Amino acid sequence: GAVVSQHPSRVICKSGTSVKIECRSLDFQATTMFWYRQFPKQSLMLMATSNEGSKATYEQGVEKDKFLINHASLTLSTLTVTSAHPEDSSFYICSARVETQYFGPGTRLLVL
Amino acid sequence: AQKVTQAQTEISVVEKEDVTLDCVYETRDTTYYLFWYKQPPSGELVFLIRRNSFDEQNEISGRYSWNFQKSTSSFNFTITASQVVDSAVYFCALSEAWGVGNQGGKLIFGQGTELSVKP
Repeated sequence: GAVVSQHPSRVICKSGTSVKIECRSLDFQATTMFWYRQFPKQSLMLMATSNEGSKATYEQGVEKDKFLINHASLTLSTLTVTSAHPEDSSFYICSARVETQYFGPGTRLLVL
Repeated sequence: AQKVTQAQTEISVVEKEDVTLDCVYETRDTTYYLFWYKQPPSGELVFLIRRNSFDEQNEISGRYSWNFQKSTSSFNFTITASQVVDSAVYFCALSEAWGVGNQGGKLIFGQGTELSVKP
């Protein structure tokens, strides 16, 4: 149980395009999901907390207009990186919480 | 402010050795949770253990054991008879308790310890 999926697992895009990443809890419902970003050899940095049916709560320094989060159902949250630039290249990981946060496999984004 | 410190950046051991990964945390909350996650090279974080602040009992799961000591704000993780498959980055994390409406409860991660187990 407690499986979280992410799609796509890897994406390469041109600078200026938008990329949508989906996070799904497969066998449980999650009122709260989280989005993290991880640079190579570094820890996870929380970007935002996504609550079903309400606006996401963004961490300080994270541009909410650049990283759009939608949590439309109890099993799906999406992160859209708008007008992506090379500095947005990173590993994005979502988690869904029951009593514990369970993580998706991550999405590697490369912006050319 | 909440903080998690994993002072060991990298550890290298030979297979079958025991290894302890240290984790020290800071929080002003009386109710909180501590976690350990494993991140193999594939990138996915694997949940290992969750411990609440009121439960100081040590836990053993196979070759894994955890030592929680509130007096020293530490939650250390020991792997007994390490194996090559244990090679990964291990993260210790802390979260506040989450309340009504499921607000709060975000994870504060340590910097991670990269464990390399050589055959």
